[in-house]
Amino acid sequence: KAGVTQTPRYLIKTRGQQVTLSCSPISGHRSVSWYQQTPGQGLQFLFEYFSETQRNKGNFPGRFSGRQFSNSRSEMNVSTLELGDSALYLCASSWVDQRGQETQYFGPGTRLLVL
Amino acid sequence: DQQVKQNSPSLSVQEGRISILNCDYTNSMFDYFLWYKKYPAEGPTFLISISSIKDKNEDGRFTVFLNKSAKHLSLHIVPSQPGDSAVYFCAASAGLYSGAGSYQLTFGKGTKLSVIP
Repeated sequence: KAGVTQTPRYLIKTRGQQVTLSCSPISGHRSVSWYQQTPGQGLQFLFEYFSETQRNKGNFPGRFSGRQFSNSRSEMNVSTLELGDSALYLCASSWVDQRGQETQYFGPGTRLLVL
Repeated sequence: DQQVKQNSPSLSVQEGRISILNCDYTNSMFDYFLWYKKYPAEGPTFLISISSIKDKNEDGRFTVFLNKSAKHLSLHIVPSQPGDSAVYFCAASAGLYSGAGSYQLTFGKGTKLSVIP
């Protein structure tokens, strides 16, 4: 199976702009989560979508939003970009096995630089 | 408040020896724990997991130990190889194993492992 794919891989924006990142989960995975990784804060949970519904949300401002489509592909949007939004944005799709254990598989990430 | 802590930012180990990476957590609701390995410019790669009903899980060279009373888990890599050099993240979740559906991982800040040939 193909892994989680994220586009674009690299992005440069300026303050005040908005950006949309895309994530295609592993085929058959219905849950998609987004994380932000920065050197100071590490990996922080943004939100999780399942069957086109946001099921969980981390502690991020409303400038960060997302959605999931019927084919499980997901997008996240950041509006009014700030310098501090420069980070690696990671998408993960997950699968629950027969024992009820869930594992998240990560994509390669989108490196966003805000100037 | 950091709910998952990896207190050692870095660790150096000789090739062939054991690498022990530690992780502490504070949230008693966590019942499922995972270890991920991350190379620069790549997403984390799942290594091994353990649920709270177990105290040990093995997969090849990787073993994870869970001490619930101490809220502590550790990852042992034996023998360590140069290709193991990466940043290792401990992650925890509440409610996954029970199927309650809390699909949110809380990560530690990572430990950079360097395996010296």
